[in-house]
Amino acid sequence: AQTVTQSQPEMSVQEAETVTLSCTYDTSENNYYLFWYKQPPSRQMILVIRQEAYKQQNATENRFSVNFQKAAKSFSLKISDSQLGDTAMYFCAFIHYSGSARQLTFGSGTQLTVLP
Amino acid sequence: DGGITQSPKYLFRKEGQNVTLSCEQNLNHDAMYWYRQDPGQGLRLIYYSQIVNDFQKGDIAEGYSVSREKKESFPLTVTSAQKNPTAFYLCASSKGFGTDTQYFGPGTRLTVL
Repeated sequence: AQTVTQSQPEMSVQEAETVTLSCTYDTSENNYYLFWYKQPPSRQMILVIRQEAYKQQNATENRFSVNFQKAAKSFSLKISDSQLGDTAMYFCAFIHYSGSARQLTFGSGTQLTVLP
Repeated sequence: DGGITQSPKYLFRKEGQNVTLSCEQNLNHDAMYWYRQDPGQGLRLIYYSQIVNDFQKGDIAEGYSVSREKKESFPLTVTSAQKNPTAFYLCASSKGFGTDTQYFGPGTRLTVL
């Protein structure tokens, strides 16, 4: 079975500092995509960053970057220069590249609070 | 503006009643999805549709039904057979099915009274 584990239900960080959210996953497949989504208090799910498993280079999007360790099945999200607007629930997710059961599998989320 | 709309934002239902949640997209996406979110949990897939007039069950389809008669629309009906329907429901779409990024609507909060 495919699983995604986010071991930190809640985290907080001071404004302007850096925080890392952890995510591990379990799959027997070799080709897949990984995602981080954020869900602010409005509850709209917003894509933060996407990583293709075949790419060794870690994805970055402005202040957001990932540390992808394929052998360890780890996909952590680093937020630099945290802003108050980053306060949200963050979900890690992955999807297989092929096969009939290609569906997005989500972790249970990490609630991040950015403190002023 | 291109995007995904869901209506209504809040919905109240009496036990034993069916209710339909609307999802519309103008992104010209082929694939659409319905997810359920409960407190403290991630999203779980209810149904998905790869293309018009086709849909497949997800992990928790029991008590739900869908239709896909138009590319833009993918309504979800919560039937009286759904034992615990109170939840937050999210609709998503993607250009193609599979690894294309899914984009989400604003969600509908359903409460059964």
